Parts: sequence; structure tokens; C-alpha cells
Amino acid sequence: TQLLEQSPQFLSIQEGENLTVYCNSSSVFSSLQWYRQEPGEGPVLLVTVVTGGEVKKLKRLTFQFGDARKDSSLHITAAQPGDTGLYLCAGPGGTSYGKLTFGQGTILTVHP
Amino acid sequence: DTAVSQTPKYLVTQMGNDKSIKCEQNLGHDTMYWYKQDSKKFLKIMFSYNNKELIINETVPNRFSPKSPDKAHLNLHINSLELGDSAVYFCASSQVQGYNSPLHFGNGTRLTVT
Repeated sequence: TQLLEQSPQFLSIQEGENLTVYCNSSSVFSSLQWYRQEPGEGPVLLVTVVTGGEVKKLKRLTFQFGDARKDSSLHITAAQPGDTGLYLCAGPGGTSYGKLTFGQGTILTVHP
Repeated sequence: DTAVSQTPKYLVTQMGNDKSIKCEQNLGHDTMYWYKQDSKKFLKIMFSYNNKELIINETVPNRFSPKSPDKAHLNLHINSLELGDSAVYFCASSQVQGYNSPLHFGNGTRLTVT
């Protein structure tokens, strides 16, 4: 089974600060997805990265897929309280086609 | 109009009982899933159905039995509930079965077994 490790597990920052969340693996992934989950709700897809070295931007969020496709990062600029949530990376895992394996997540809290 | 809806949202029951969770998606997707999220927020796949056919069946106790009457519905029945079954169960769907097909999740069913 391909494992995804996310760091940090918890992140508590003030509004306006920048932050980076990491998603690492010893295995190569054909693609990685990032989701955000708010309390009481299900995860919502933010982005899918497919090509090694790819950078995608979603407003203040910048996603990068490592050149070797073993890692990914999510950078948030000028964090806002609305960014608070659980951030999950996910990638193809195991031998079952279509099975996604999730990292353990990063719980982000942005204080006003 | 909710895309993936689960019922109930909360379920509190005693050990040994049998309970069901229902899920419906109105997105026209072919594939549906059940995921379990534990107290540490770790999300793990349990089952996947593609057009009513069971595709993925992870190492889940056979007390858990999914059923898909049609491709828009996926239910989960749990027999003889145990304390360790307490978790949030998420239903999800994707347009096709494939790694790049994004998952659309419901809002979860929080199961508490006492």
C-alpha cells in the first residue's frame, strides 16, 4: 500500500500569516488530489495535480507537485479565518483501480 | 439541491444493535463509495460500487454489508455493532471509476456506539 504522510499534523496561526502544508511519500504517484474538510461536512476537492513539477493556483492557495511525483505541497498566502479546516492529500493507492489513499491530514486553525 | 446526501446525520445506538445508513447522489455519477473517518480524522475506503457492481471491498468485517439498488443509491448495513465502529461514515461518488475522477462527499453520518 502506498502511504502518504502529511506534515504538520496541526497548525495554528494568526490571520495574515503564510503557511505551507506538506504531503510526502516514498512511492511515485501518477497524480495527487488535495481536499479541504470543514467541521460537520465532507471533504471538498481543491485541486488535482498530475504532472511532475506542476504548480496550480487557486486564489491564495498554491499547490505544487514534486518533480519526482513523490511529494506535494500546499502554500497559503495571507491566511484568513475562512481557511480553517482539515486539509487532506490523496493519491492512488493499492492494487484496486480507482482506490484513493488519504494522508492523515493537517488541521489548520486561523485566528482572527 | 444537495449532490450527495446521507441519512441519518447522527446515529447513537447500543452495542449489538443493527443499523443502516443511506446515501443518494443526484450527480449522475457511475461510482459510489463508503469511507470511514476515525477519531484522528484518518479517512479510509471501505467499499466502492461501479454501476451497482461491487468493485472495492477493503478489509472490513463482514458485519458491514453495502447494497446498491441502483447507481444513484448506496446503503450500508451494519450488524452487531461494536464500540470500535464509532466513527464518521462518508458516502462519496465520482463520475467514473478512476484516479483522477474527483470524489464528491456527503456530509457524513456520525455513528456513536455505546
